[in-house]
Amino acid sequence: NAGVTQTPKFQVLKTGQSMTLQCAQDMNHEYMSWYRQDPGMGLRLIHYSVGAGITDQGEVPNGYNVSRSTTEDFPLRLLSAAPSQTSVYFCASSRQGAPSGYTFGSGTRLTVV
Amino acid sequence: GENVEQHPSTLSVQEGDSAVIKCTYSDSASNYFPWYKQELGKGPQLIIDIRSNVGEKKDQRIAVTLNKTAKHFSLHITETQPEDSAVYFCAASKGNNNDMRFGAGTRLTVKP
Repeated sequence: NAGVTQTPKFQVLKTGQSMTLQCAQDMNHEYMSWYRQDPGMGLRLIHYSVGAGITDQGEVPNGYNVSRSTTEDFPLRLLSAAPSQTSVYFCASSRQGAPSGYTFGSGTRLTVV
Repeated sequence: GENVEQHPSTLSVQEGDSAVIKCTYSDSASNYFPWYKQELGKGPQLIIDIRSNVGEKKDQRIAVTLNKTAKHFSLHITETQPEDSAVYFCAASKGNNNDMRFGAGTRLTVKP
């Protein structure tokens, strides 16, 4: 049982480039989300999805897009990378409904130069 | 919106001692309080959680206490071991996971 799989693990981008961070889960979880982790700031929600075809914004959505065409996959797109998007990105999934514990992926460390 | 504060930011203990990490939250409607452990280079892992209808929950060496009146909750680790060294995050949520807010984290070091 793989859980939540994120790729790539590391990425360096130049300012203005675009890229997609991949996330897949095999637990049939309805709820998926993307967080960014910055030193001293904990985890902040970027976008989330409560099921295939449904997405919504979190706390810090600017500069990011998401889509949810299947239950398993939830990619995060950076449209035009900026140095402020240098961070560690985590994908997480959980059952839908009342708040419950997340299963997190192992993260993608992104550096924008 | 919800605001979660976590203290201390760093904590160093001797192996075998106890460690306590404290969090406060601002929204009295919050009803779910998970704790996550993050080891170096890995994603956070849920280690224990508590809902607002109970005051304490234990799982072997780990316990969480909740004081709804004071709006704070704490993680207690007894008989600490070097493998407990990690960053610990608290969080609070009231409705769904999309309103979950995380504390800034506590780096725990257990010295052998």
